[in-house]
Amino acid sequence: DTGVSQDPRHKITKRGQNVTFRCDPISEHNRLYWYRQTLGQGPEFLTYFQNEAQLEKSRLLSDRFSAERPKGSFSTLEIQRTEQGDSAMYLCASSLSVDYEQYFGPGTRLTVT
Amino acid sequence: AQSVTQPDIHITVSEGASLELRCNYSYGATPYLFWYVQSPGQGLQLLLKYFSGDTLVQGIKGFEAEFKRSQSSFNLRKPSVHWSDAAEYFCVRYNFNKFYFGSGTKLNVKP
Repeated sequence: DTGVSQDPRHKITKRGQNVTFRCDPISEHNRLYWYRQTLGQGPEFLTYFQNEAQLEKSRLLSDRFSAERPKGSFSTLEIQRTEQGDSAMYLCASSLSVDYEQYFGPGTRLTVT
Repeated sequence: AQSVTQPDIHITVSEGASLELRCNYSYGATPYLFWYVQSPGQGLQLLLKYFSGDTLVQGIKGFEAEFKRSQSSFNLRKPSVHWSDAAEYFCVRYNFNKFYFGSGTKLNVKP
């Protein structure tokens, strides 16, 4: 297994544009998490999926953010009408539901200009 | 509110010296606690975890942590630091399907 992968690794976009990130978890992992990490801070929970069901969403996840995991495998995180405050590292992690060991991807660094 | 506090933003130790990184958690009940390390350009890696049982847990890379309920603490220790340990360390708490990260402690290792 190659671990958790994220694409793209870097994204530069202009304010107001939409962006979409992809996360491919470890294949047998049924839980998938999205986090946002800004400079000098620890990752903040955004949302998580158990298989294809989105079970939790943070209040940080405004209406401009949406996440999907259509077949319980890969997941996408879309940000509509990006703002400069959305600039951050977006991290994906996966785990089995029987334990709580998260495996993190390398992240997607978003810069909104 | 549930939170994890890492009071030290930066710590510098000499190579070969011992290390202790502090972590305090709030909000009662038996917590599920973790330490992760984030090296420059690399993803977060799990060092160790505590769910229950023996309050001294061993992890990878020679790290250990001790859970102290009376102090609401879960400090990370290493007896002899190596230059490759320079990284950022996060204490994490799991509760109600969410993971709560501390703000991290950056470790610098002097030669």
